[in-house]
Amino acid sequence: GQNIDQPTEMTATEGAIVQINCTYQTSGFNGLFWYQQHAGEAPTFLSYNVLDGLEEKGRFSSFLSRSKGYSYLLLKELQMKDSASYLCALRGGGYQKVTFGTGTKLQVIP
Amino acid sequence: GAVVSQHPSRVICKSGTSVKIECRSLDFQATTMFWYRQFPKKSLMLMATSNEGSKATYEQGVEKDKFLINHASLTLSTLTVTSAHPEDSSFYICSALEGERDIQYFGAGTRLSVL
Repeated sequence: GQNIDQPTEMTATEGAIVQINCTYQTSGFNGLFWYQQHAGEAPTFLSYNVLDGLEEKGRFSSFLSRSKGYSYLLLKELQMKDSASYLCALRGGGYQKVTFGTGTKLQVIP
Repeated sequence: GAVVSQHPSRVICKSGTSVKIECRSLDFQATTMFWYRQFPKKSLMLMATSNEGSKATYEQGVEKDKFLINHASLTLSTLTVTSAHPEDSSFYICSALEGERDIQYFGAGTRLSVL
């Protein structure tokens, strides 16, 4: 089976940096995703990590450590529009099936 | 990124009627699509995996006769909620697997309200 754990809520200030952590347990690992979801909308793809290390994409970076069952999403130069839920999702076991965490609701304040 | 279109975005129907939701991959072919359900302030719950040309694979606890899935082409999967009841009211989201990078891209979702 799979288990994904991430904080329920976080608050950060506009212009700052925030790190959203995700820990997981899985019987098989094929990749970890981060998605952004605004209220009432569908998720949008942010990043996909298969190998250990940091992947940077503009203001967003994602890190993975497979041995520790740990990932984080780093958001720099926060903007008000970054207020959303951030979903950590794991591909493991059945190759194509992805299991989503409960999401971290990020609130960016002025 | 790849584009997935989901239609309709919102539907209100009477109890007992059936509702069909379409999911299309617009700029790529998807042999695999997924249907999710999301309750307010909850994460995505996978209902079924839709495979082109074969039967869908349903998750435990999801009634296959209630939620009919058809994936007749490489760009279209449909979910039909049969004999809908108020407890079926929810946000339904589809995704399509872009095979080259193995990434799921999501449709905009369908908000179903059953009266």
